[in-house]
Amino acid sequence: AQRVTQPEKLLSVFKGAPVELKCNYSYSGSPELFWYVQYSRQRLQLLLRHISRESIKGFTADLNKGETSFHLKKPFAQEEDSAMYYCALFNNAGNMLTFGGGTRLMVKP
Amino acid sequence: DTEVTQTPKHLVMGMTNKKSLKCEQHMGHRAMYWYKQKAKKPPELMFVYSYEKLSINESVPSRFSPECPNSSLLNLHLHALQPEDSALYLCASSQDGAEGDSPLHFGNGTRLTVT
Repeated sequence: AQRVTQPEKLLSVFKGAPVELKCNYSYSGSPELFWYVQYSRQRLQLLLRHISRESIKGFTADLNKGETSFHLKKPFAQEEDSAMYYCALFNNAGNMLTFGGGTRLMVKP
Repeated sequence: DTEVTQTPKHLVMGMTNKKSLKCEQHMGHRAMYWYKQKAKKPPELMFVYSYEKLSINESVPSRFSPECPNSSLLNLHLHALQPEDSALYLCASSQDGAEGDSPLHFGNGTRLTVT
């Protein structure tokens, strides 16, 4: 069975501090991993996906197959980064998507 | 194991069939959601029930009909679908009503194929 774990429900940092939102997964095949973000009272939106290896809004995430992790990082947090962040995994067949429980990021001024 | 259970996991239906997708949660959450996801794009919101009342309908065609029989159950009735409706349908719930900021809990989805 595939599983996604986000160990922190809440992460609070000061503006300008580095931030890392943790995501660990268990899956026997080669997963495709995503980070989604939901700002307050807005719709869920895709932040980034591991296969594109891009940086969006200063966020990056590297797939570490050895540690089965896909942590989301940003060197300098901004107040507007405050939101709920969800890590998600697609199986090989692309027919099952599993979300983690989400981490609320609060960036304080 | 997800706390939001969706059945069936896979469904193949013809364009003249009538079928239903089911979603269940026993966390006491007051809001339940249906999302549609295609081609690994972000899930698109379809419907939101808040305190068992339909609060958001994102202009979804009438061939999709949601139903919330009680606070733990959410159904999506399907009739006369088109092949382009083939997608992954995700159910989610959240503790607060739809206007709150409580986290979403997602089911694993139903993979629907319309032939």
